Parts: sequence; structure tokens; C-alpha cells
Amino acid sequence: DTGVSQNPRHKITKRGQNVTFRCDPISEHNRLYWYRQTLGQGPEFLTYFQNEAQLEKSRLLSDRFSAERPKGSFSTLEIQRTEQGDSAMYLCASSPTFERAEGYTFGSGTRLTVV
Amino acid sequence: AQSVTQLDSHVSVSEGTPVLLRCNYSSSYSPSLFWYVQHPNKGLQLLLKYTSAATLVKGINGFEAEFKKSETSFHLTKPSAHMSDAAEYFCVVSANTGNQFYFGTGTSLTVIP
Repeated sequence: DTGVSQNPRHKITKRGQNVTFRCDPISEHNRLYWYRQTLGQGPEFLTYFQNEAQLEKSRLLSDRFSAERPKGSFSTLEIQRTEQGDSAMYLCASSPTFERAEGYTFGSGTRLTVV
Repeated sequence: AQSVTQLDSHVSVSEGTPVLLRCNYSSSYSPSLFWYVQHPNKGLQLLLKYTSAATLVKGINGFEAEFKKSETSFHLTKPSAHMSDAAEYFCVVSANTGNQFYFGTGTSLTVIP
């Protein structure tokens, strides 16, 4: 296990299309997080999972966004009817349970460009 | 509420000179504090963390940071900059309740040869 893996690395889509990103966390990590980073800003929290349960969602996560982690392993983040404002880097991170203070391990991210 | 303020959006230093990246935090609880580094087209890498143990924290690549509660600061330092240190640096706070990390807006470090 070499870390957190995200696919695709880059995605260009037309406005109004749906897109789905995948994150494979470190296998023994129970917690999985999604963050969004826009140009010139720090990452902002979107949502997190403890195993398969989605326990917290940010107000940034509009109705067009949905995240799943069906078997408590990999996770998907879907954006429906994309808008130009959705263009950003989408980062996934994982951590062991009860080890929040240890910090997350981040993936390299998926860069979304909506044209 | 938790937040961090990175006081400089951009810092330039000459190779071999000291690095100082400044961070002030706000937290309603005893915080955990982190510094992450992001190289171009790479993921965020944890440099170091403070979790209520020693106030002077040593990290990877010669970086260290000192937690000063009275000043609500967690500045990142390195005695001698290397060209490979050029990157974006983020100060991060996490409260002991809740599950979010709160990132600062980042400091871009340029190292001049």
C-alpha cells in the first residue's frame, strides 16, 4: 500500500455534465475525507466517512454533490450538472480511527476543469 | 471556532539562509496544529505536528515549529533553506472536538540560488 490514490488526476468536462472521482485510502485507515482546494486558497472540508458511514458534511456540499463509501474502503465523489465554479482540485485524505491528531495522509488530488 | 491566519502569502529567501513562515491560530479548544507542504502537482505532505506534548516540534527535512500559547502562534522555521524547499506551505488547526482540519490560505516559499 503506497498511500492514498485518486483517479483521475485531471478531468475536463463541459458545464452541465456529471463527473465522478474515486479515492482509494490507505487500507487500514477507517476515516476518509474529501476536501476542495481552489486556486490560491487552502483546502476546505467537504465531508468525511467513518467506515461506510458519512458522518459530517460541509455546507459547501450542495445538493449536486454526493459522496459514497459503500464498503468502507474506496470512496466516490459525484458532481451533477457541473458549473464553472466547481473547477478546483478535489483532495482525498485518510486517517486511522481515533488518530485525528496524527494528521491525514492526502492523495495527489483530482483537478477538475469545467468549461 | 477554529481558524488559522498565515501572515505572509509569499516569502523569498536566499539558499542557505533561515526560513520563517508565520502562523497564528484561533481555537476554542486545545488545538492540534500542523504544517503541510505542497509541491507543484504533488499531494499535501505532513511536515510536523503539535498535539499538546513538547512545545518545540521537529519535523522532516530540518523544519521545526514552536507552539506559543500566549501568542497563539505556531511559526515554522528552518535554519538553512534548500532549493528543494520551494513550495506552498499550509498551517492547519484541528480542534479536539469535531473532525475537520482548518487550513490557512498558504505561504508560497521561493528559494533564490
